[in-house]
Amino acid sequence: SAVISQKPSRDICQRGTSLTIQCQVDSQVTMMFWYRQQPGQSLTLIATANQGSEATYESGFVIDKFPISRPNLTFSTLTVSNMSPEDSSIYLCSVKDRPNEQFFGPGTRLTVL
Amino acid sequence: TQLLEQSPQFLSIQEGENLTVYCNSSSVFSSLQWYRQEPGEGPVLLVTVVTGGEVKKLKRLTFQFGDARKDSSLHITAAQPGDTGLYLCAGVSGSARQLTFGSGTQLTVLP
Repeated sequence: SAVISQKPSRDICQRGTSLTIQCQVDSQVTMMFWYRQQPGQSLTLIATANQGSEATYESGFVIDKFPISRPNLTFSTLTVSNMSPEDSSIYLCSVKDRPNEQFFGPGTRLTVL
Repeated sequence: TQLLEQSPQFLSIQEGENLTVYCNSSSVFSSLQWYRQEPGEGPVLLVTVVTGGEVKKLKRLTFQFGDARKDSSLHITAAQPGDTGLYLCAGVSGSARQLTFGSGTQLTVLP
């Protein structure tokens, strides 16, 4: 299975600032996703990161708030812009490298004050 | 409305007991995955089921996919404290390429 790393692992940020989260995969993968998870709760898909084109966002998430880059098949970034305390969450990078298997990074725990 | 409903939401049991977690939907899934997540970590894939009626075993864990591919269950025999975690089912339905996650079951196994 693909090995996924994320940076930073956690951060505490001030309201109104932005944070960029990096996701690195040890192999080339076609599909990469970004999820958000409130502690102890389930996962919500933010967007699909498409290599060479704009990300595909789910309902309730917009590019201005969560810009995503996917410069190649092993790397992606998610930026949380103009943060508010409601953005405090765990952000997870995920990849699908086989048809029925999807793997997750360790997550980035974000706290916005 | 949650596409995948899990029950129970919370479960606290003593070491050695058996338990079953359920994942139900009105939609048909082409495949369904079960994950376990521990605090501070990402979800870890336990199993994927793709065939209606399929049963898979992973040591003390038994996974079943419903005949109609709308539901699944996870049974743990003789639970241990190391089984503690958030259990998530997730599936792919219709033409979707990404997973839809269930609401999650927080399991605590007390020594």
